[in-house]
Amino acid sequence: GIQVEQSPPDLILQEGANSTLRCNFSDSVNNLQWFHQNPWGQLINLFYIPSGTKQNGRLSATTVATERYSLLYISSSQTTDSGVYFCAGPSGGYQKVTFGIGTKLQVIP
Amino acid sequence: DAGVTQSPTHLIKTRGQQVTLRCSPKSGHDTVSWYQQALGQGPQFIFQYYEEEERQRGNFPDRFSGHQFPNYSSELNVNALLLGDSALYLCASSRPGPGRLGDTQYFGPGTRLTVL
Repeated sequence: GIQVEQSPPDLILQEGANSTLRCNFSDSVNNLQWFHQNPWGQLINLFYIPSGTKQNGRLSATTVATERYSLLYISSSQTTDSGVYFCAGPSGGYQKVTFGIGTKLQVIP
Repeated sequence: DAGVTQSPTHLIKTRGQQVTLRCSPKSGHDTVSWYQQALGQGPQFIFQYYEEEERQRGNFPDRFSGHQFPNYSSELNVNALLLGDSALYLCASSRPGPGRLGDTQYFGPGTRLTVL
């Protein structure tokens, strides 16, 4: 299966700052997802983005499949953005999904 | 429209016991996947159920088994619990049809299992 690496592992931001999270994967993927896990453990799907760029409010994501990486941009961060951000890609068929170890984001007022 | 639901929310067991966790998929979804998330780690794929059959399995021992019912809900069973089984167990559902690598997975709130 694919290997998924995320960076940075930890990030502290002042409220209002912007940030970029990166996800590298070891093999080509035709499906990449970004998730946010809140402090209570709930995983929320942010983007399904096998290639190209998508935007949703203050969040946007870009995947360059040929170079095997994806970026998640957070603009004008808010304290509610705190949590762990995971990227995940398919591994071994069907919908077996391999997750990275995540980027833990803390936004301070 | 109810999302993915899981029960119980929390569970405490002792080593050697058996546990059953339950999941109801999002309305309109018929595929259910189970994940184990240890503290500080990303979720690890356990297995996936579709049409009441296990379609795919991750690197988990046979102590982990599951079932899917005709209404698409699912159970995860873990026998002979070990301390290392302590984790958050997540259930995810997706829209109809296996082999659709492009489908978004929707996760439930999880069951936090503590093994003492």
